[in-house]
Amino acid sequence: VQLVESGGGLVQPGKSLKLSCSASGFTFSSYGMHWIRQAPGKGLDWVAYISSSSGTVYADAVKGRFTISRDNAKNTLYLQLNSLKSEDTAIYYCARSSGDAWGQGASVTVSS
Amino acid sequence: DIVLTQAPLSVSVTPGESASISCRSSKSLLSSKGITSLYWYLQRPGKSPQLLIYQMSNLASGVPDRFSSSGSETDFTLKISKVETEDVGVYYCGHRLEYPLTFGSGTKLEIK
Repeated sequence: VQLVESGGGLVQPGKSLKLSCSASGFTFSSYGMHWIRQAPGKGLDWVAYISSSSGTVYADAVKGRFTISRDNAKNTLYLQLNSLKSEDTAIYYCARSSGDAWGQGASVTVSS
Repeated sequence: DIVLTQAPLSVSVTPGESASISCRSSKSLLSSKGITSLYWYLQRPGKSPQLLIYQMSNLASGVPDRFSSSGSETDFTLKISKVETEDVGVYYCGHRLEYPLTFGSGTKLEIK
């Protein structure tokens, strides 16, 4: 089981970024997936969830700005981050719904 | 939202000794299916979180049986027997009872 995030970087406030999470070693289409973030020196903060049938749930702090999606043909999970704020600066992890597989994280820094 | 309160903030342990970490929930984590939705994670320095315990008392795959967890519907304890240097890191409790998922603020384990 492997999850590999990509797409992180430095972005200005108000701009957009799209993160990807490539999955391998398991039947990706059968699992719900989460995005969880961790601000520098802080704890874990759940961001969004997508079910195996693509139903979605968001944290209030990102609702209307972030969009979680998946492409089962490509075994890939996505997180579209729009209208970014400085408080969105964090490492973003993708994780399998069972909690037993996490990616290495993608760093997002929002700064002018 | 469910608030998970961990104690202590940090613990320093001599190798071979035991350590206990507490997690208290603001709401019962017993689901309608009879499952207690409490999970424990370890984040080693510079690494992604890894699942230690699921559904309050079940050891995740590959986790040594030095780790154990117990509790009620709202109060939980992670016990680490015969602490080893590889156990250093931050321990988080988390729930999956409802959205939003939330986590405790973490307990840092150090070796004396």
